[in-house]
Amino acid sequence: TQLLEQSPQFLSIQEGENLTVYCNSSSVFSSLQWYRQEPGEGPVLLVTVVTGGEVKKLKRLTFQFGDARKDSSLHITAAQPGDTGLYLCAGATTSGTYKYIFGTGTRLKVLA
Amino acid sequence: EADIYQTPRYLVIGTGKKITLECSQTMGHDKMYWYQQDPGMELHLIHYSYGVNSTEKGDLSSESTVSRIRTEHFPLTLESARPSHTSQYLCASRTRYEQYFGPGTRLTVT
Repeated sequence: TQLLEQSPQFLSIQEGENLTVYCNSSSVFSSLQWYRQEPGEGPVLLVTVVTGGEVKKLKRLTFQFGDARKDSSLHITAAQPGDTGLYLCAGATTSGTYKYIFGTGTRLKVLA
Repeated sequence: EADIYQTPRYLVIGTGKKITLECSQTMGHDKMYWYQQDPGMELHLIHYSYGVNSTEKGDLSSESTVSRIRTEHFPLTLESARPSHTSQYLCASRTRYEQYFGPGTRLTVT
């Protein structure tokens, strides 16, 4: 069974601080996505990374896919209260079943 | 912005009732998914479809059923709702690399 472990599970920081969220697996994924989810809503896609070693930036967010395509990180620079939410990573399986495996989630709270 | 819709957004229903959660997408995606999520927790895949007349069970055992008669429509049915079915149900569709979610249906079974 493929698993995606996210860390940390919970993070409470002050506005302006930097943070990194990690997503790790022993399995290889064909691509990996990061989402942010607000309470009572569906996850919103932030980014997809496909190539091992790929780095993508979305304003203050930087996403990296591990060289072996087994892990990923999300780095937020100068966090703002609007960044508060549940962050989820999801890996697309390589088995040809077109399924995604979701990480355990990181709940981020940014205090003003 | 993805065009994927779910109705109803909220549903409170008594034990034993039959319910259908609707999901529609206007993007022409072949692959569609249903996930179950408890508040603030990870998503669990309960059903997926590769295209019309194709449905598969996901990783989490579920008493629900799905159908895919049209590309754009992927409804989920619970024949007899129970309190253990109380959860948020999320529908999604995907391109090759990107998966888009609907807003979800929050189901409460009393």
